[in-house]
Amino acid sequence: AQSVTQPDIHITVSEGASLELRCNYSYGATPYLFWYVQSPGQGLQLLLKYFSGDTLVQGIKGFEAEFKRSQSSFNLRKPSVHWSDAAEYFCAVGARRLSNFGNEKLTFGTGTRLTIIP
Amino acid sequence: NAGVTQTPKFQVLKTGQSMTLQCAQDMNHEYMSWYRQDPGMGLRLIHYSVGAGITDQGEVPNGYNVSRSTTEDFPLRLLSAAPSQTSVYFCASSYSSEGGTQYFGPGTRLLVL
Repeated sequence: AQSVTQPDIHITVSEGASLELRCNYSYGATPYLFWYVQSPGQGLQLLLKYFSGDTLVQGIKGFEAEFKRSQSSFNLRKPSVHWSDAAEYFCAVGARRLSNFGNEKLTFGTGTRLTIIP
Repeated sequence: NAGVTQTPKFQVLKTGQSMTLQCAQDMNHEYMSWYRQDPGMGLRLIHYSVGAGITDQGEVPNGYNVSRSTTEDFPLRLLSAAPSQTSVYFCASSYSSEGGTQYFGPGTRLLVL
């Protein structure tokens, strides 16, 4: 079974500073990998996803993530954060299946809460 | 498109009561799922469906029932509410193709006293 670890429960960065959120996964083959963002009181919104090919993935809102197979990681980065980036961020892994159905079962990490200070 | 909608937004139940959380999507997605979100535990899959008439259990199915009679709707039933079911519940949907992106509803906050 797959699993996801987000080792940082809470991160605080200054507005304009760079950001890296860590995500490590456990899965027997190449997984599908996702980053979602959740603003307070809201549902989850997809930031970016990795399926195959280029290991550096670009997403919305200026975010990017890099898949590193050797480290089983999929860290999320942003060169300069904005106050509106304050939210909770979830990494998720989806299993590749043998049937026609894809990543129906997502396994989520426990999330990283991002606080931005002026 | 309204996307994924959930009702109610907030509900208070007494222990032992039953209720149904509603979820609907207008994107013609085959795959739908229910998650619960608890502090420090991320999202955990309760039940999912890969099409009308087909459902399966997720990670934490006990105490919950689902059915899928139409493509659009995927209600979650709490049979006999317990305080341990106090949580925020999210419904999600996606295409059933390989690697489909899941779209989430706004959530239902449930408090069981």
